[in-house]
Amino acid sequence: DGGITQSPKYLFRKEGQNVTLSCEQNLNHDAMYWYRQDPGQGLRLIYYSQIVNDFQKGDIAEGYSVSREKKESFPLTVTSAQKNPTAFYLCASSPQSGRGEKLFFGSGTQLSVL
Amino acid sequence: EDKVVQSPLSLVVHEGDTVTLNCSYEVTNFRSLLWYKQEKKAPTFLFMLTSSGIEKKSGRLSSILDKKELFSILNITATQTGDSAIYLCAVQGAQKLVFGQGTRLTINP
Repeated sequence: DGGITQSPKYLFRKEGQNVTLSCEQNLNHDAMYWYRQDPGQGLRLIYYSQIVNDFQKGDIAEGYSVSREKKESFPLTVTSAQKNPTAFYLCASSPQSGRGEKLFFGSGTQLSVL
Repeated sequence: EDKVVQSPLSLVVHEGDTVTLNCSYEVTNFRSLLWYKQEKKAPTFLFMLTSSGIEKKSGRLSSILDKKELFSILNITATQTGDSAIYLCAVQGAQKLVFGQGTRLTINP
């Protein structure tokens, strides 16, 4: 079955620690996205990538980093510089970016700080 | 700055009622408006609207776009407890998809 797989479902971070959230898709989509969702708020864009080896900052990129070495994979690292990382993180993909096409979402990762 | 505003933020109704959810936007180079339903984790796609005045319908759900007044509505008739969810509106601009805050809909039996 085609889709987007995020792992882990739950993740705990200690003070000063970097953690990496995984996102893999087998839909052959060019564009991939990372969103953050806080309670009572909508989805806010962290980073997005339109093609392999290229990515752009979204609205709240500070304290996060990404890579896009393969078309299928778009991991997100939450660095120690992100002071309030507790949130629900959603990865998504679309055939292309900026064309108004619908996004396909993964099941998300809930990140909490210990 | 691109902006999408949904209202109400929260709505509680009884099973069988009809509800209308609102989404207004200010986006540069509008491409499309999308509605998603988020029950637990992953949002699921409901509708994509690109043209004004053309209603999209799927069962008890329907949606319409007004590009002159810059808003969309999502209607749900004869609501069921399974309709309880967060409904997200998103608008595709020149570069990225901008989401609203979501409307949390609760259907009581």
